[in-house]
Amino acid sequence: NAGVTQTPKFRILKIGQSMTLQCTQDMNHNYMYWYRQDPGMGLKLIYYSVGAGITDKGEVPNGYNVSRSTTEDFPLRLELAAPSQTSVYFCASSPAGGGQPQHFGDGTRLSIL
Amino acid sequence: DQQVKQNSPSLSVQEGRISILNCDYTNSMFDYFLWYKKYPAEGPTFLISISSIKDKNEDGRFTVFLNKSAKHLSLHIVPSQPGDSAVYFCAASARTFGNEKLTFGTGTRLTIIP
Repeated sequence: NAGVTQTPKFRILKIGQSMTLQCTQDMNHNYMYWYRQDPGMGLKLIYYSVGAGITDKGEVPNGYNVSRSTTEDFPLRLELAAPSQTSVYFCASSPAGGGQPQHFGDGTRLSIL
Repeated sequence: DQQVKQNSPSLSVQEGRISILNCDYTNSMFDYFLWYKKYPAEGPTFLISISSIKDKNEDGRFTVFLNKSAKHLSLHIVPSQPGDSAVYFCAASARTFGNEKLTFGTGTRLTIIP
């Protein structure tokens, strides 16, 4: 069972570069989420999606974009990377919303230098 | 504004004893609470949840207690085992109000001493 798969696991970017963090799930979940976790902090929601073609902002969306063209995939795009975006990024999915238990990927550790 | 607070960044407990992790919240609309466990270099995994219509939920060695009047919940692990050493996150949502999102606390690092 693959569950939620995130790629890459690690990446170093230079300031101003852009990249896409990939997330795919094989559980046919409608809901998908992107979080970031900074050192000593909890997870903060960046964007989420309740189904293909539907996305909405979370708590910290600035500097990021998402798309959801299929049920399986929910990529996160960073445009013009900034040092403040250095973090660990987690993708998650759940069969429904309302706080239902979410299944998480193992994260992407991103450093912006 | 931290709506879900875990005021103890770390906790050490002897193997076999009880571990108690605490979580406080400020938003009265929260009606569903979850605990997640996280090992290094892995994503969080769901552990146990509780709805606001209950004050206790039990699953094996794990029990979550909810005190709505105090806006406080706790996770009890008994007996504690070395494999329980991890970071534990408390999370909350306002399900009745159609809130699709979870709000997480900052986590408590639990270390079980053999």
